[in-house]
Amino acid sequence: ILNVEQSPQSLHVQEGDSTNFTCSFPSSNFYALHWYRWETAKSPEALFVMTLNGDEKKKGRISATLNTKEGYSYLYIKGSQPEDSATYLCAPNTGNQFYFGTGTSLTVIP
Amino acid sequence: KAGVTQTPRYLIKTRGQQVTLSCSPISGHRSVSWYQQTPGQGLQFLFEYFSETQRNKGNFPGRFSGRQFSNSRSEMNVSTLELGDSALYLCASSSGRGFNGYTFGSGTRLTVV
Repeated sequence: ILNVEQSPQSLHVQEGDSTNFTCSFPSSNFYALHWYRWETAKSPEALFVMTLNGDEKKKGRISATLNTKEGYSYLYIKGSQPEDSATYLCAPNTGNQFYFGTGTSLTVIP
Repeated sequence: KAGVTQTPRYLIKTRGQQVTLSCSPISGHRSVSWYQQTPGQGLQFLFEYFSETQRNKGNFPGRFSGRQFSNSRSEMNVSTLELGDSALYLCASSSGRGFNGYTFGSGTRLTVV
């Protein structure tokens, strides 16, 4: 079992604020790191897949970085909008299994 | 193309009964994985099937089982239901190769009373 920690557990921000959250995982046996967005009453949706140390991915106002040597990934949202409200899950993959964190619940207040 | 389809969406069962959940993956996807989510817990991995064979298994008791058919559709069965089995069960499909990530279904909400 891989211990995956996400922080903070929940976050409330004002519309227009930028925010970031952290995913920490053991750096050994690492193959890939996935980020998912899970909106209420919907299915988790894939955001990013990162495999290399120093990887940076961007999708619109959302970006992510990866540090495999120290075992963490950051997810950034620039200029948060109400539609960004969701739970953001990270999931390291060891090569044969994904291990999901409990997520960061983001609420963007209009 | 059609997404991942899970049926039923909601289910209420009594302790001691058994239940079967179904998942139809995206066309062409040969890997189907099952996850359980309970309040306060991350998604807990149950098992993965690839080309009709169980490829990986999580740390769940033997009451949880699954299978995959030749058309890649998968079923998950839970026997002798316990109150603690009440959860959202998510199915996720992938090509099974590389790390392209999952496409998730909408889930089956199981309530055991």
